[in-house]
Amino acid sequence: GESVGLHLPTLSVQEGDNSIINCAYSNSASDYFIWYKQESGKGPQFIIDIRSNMDKRQGQRVTVLLNKTVKHLSLQIAATQPGDSAVYFCAEPSEGRDDKIIFGKGTRLHILP
Amino acid sequence: DTEVTQTPKHLVMGMTNKKSLKCEQHMGHRAMYWYKQKAKKPPELMFVYSYEKLSINESVPSRFSPECPNSSLLNLHLHALQPEDSALYLCASSQTSLGGIGDGYTFGSGTRLTVV
Repeated sequence: GESVGLHLPTLSVQEGDNSIINCAYSNSASDYFIWYKQESGKGPQFIIDIRSNMDKRQGQRVTVLLNKTVKHLSLQIAATQPGDSAVYFCAEPSEGRDDKIIFGKGTRLHILP
Repeated sequence: DTEVTQTPKHLVMGMTNKKSLKCEQHMGHRAMYWYKQKAKKPPELMFVYSYEKLSINESVPSRFSPECPNSSLLNLHLHALQPEDSALYLCASSQTSLGGIGDGYTFGSGTRLTVV
């Protein structure tokens, strides 16, 4: 069925270290995937997306990797900062239509001082 | 203006009340969305409007009634809600109802609704 899941619900990372947030998806026909960041009391904020014909895409301090063979997506955050504390969701379009986005369960990133 | 504005930010209502949530964007986006988010859960889609027409209703109870008066405004009318409807209600918009690279949704900060 349609599902976008995450391996770990909570991730604690030392400030300054790199963070890796993982996501498993089920719809092998998805054209693209999106990562969102949701800080406490705010709506989800678009971070980066990647098309299914790409393996890697880089943004500012963030890199998304896509492994279609094992249907795995990851978000890497370089030099994690306190402001990176948030819940991170991966998302993909619903099977058969892309005006509906399905969110994964979310991973809470906790930054250790 | 690159924001989606939602009002009110917080709302407490009784089970017999009628209230409305409002959402506004001035980015020229022609698709607008209502999501419901319970604590520690991902957002769940409720409704999609595309070019001011309702295109998706995710089997939402009729006590939630969406309205899209024009391409910039989206309302959610609430009537006879239950305590379990307490949640964060998020509005979002996108350039079209077709997503794609760089065409992520823009979310508002949400309305925190408590039904008593």
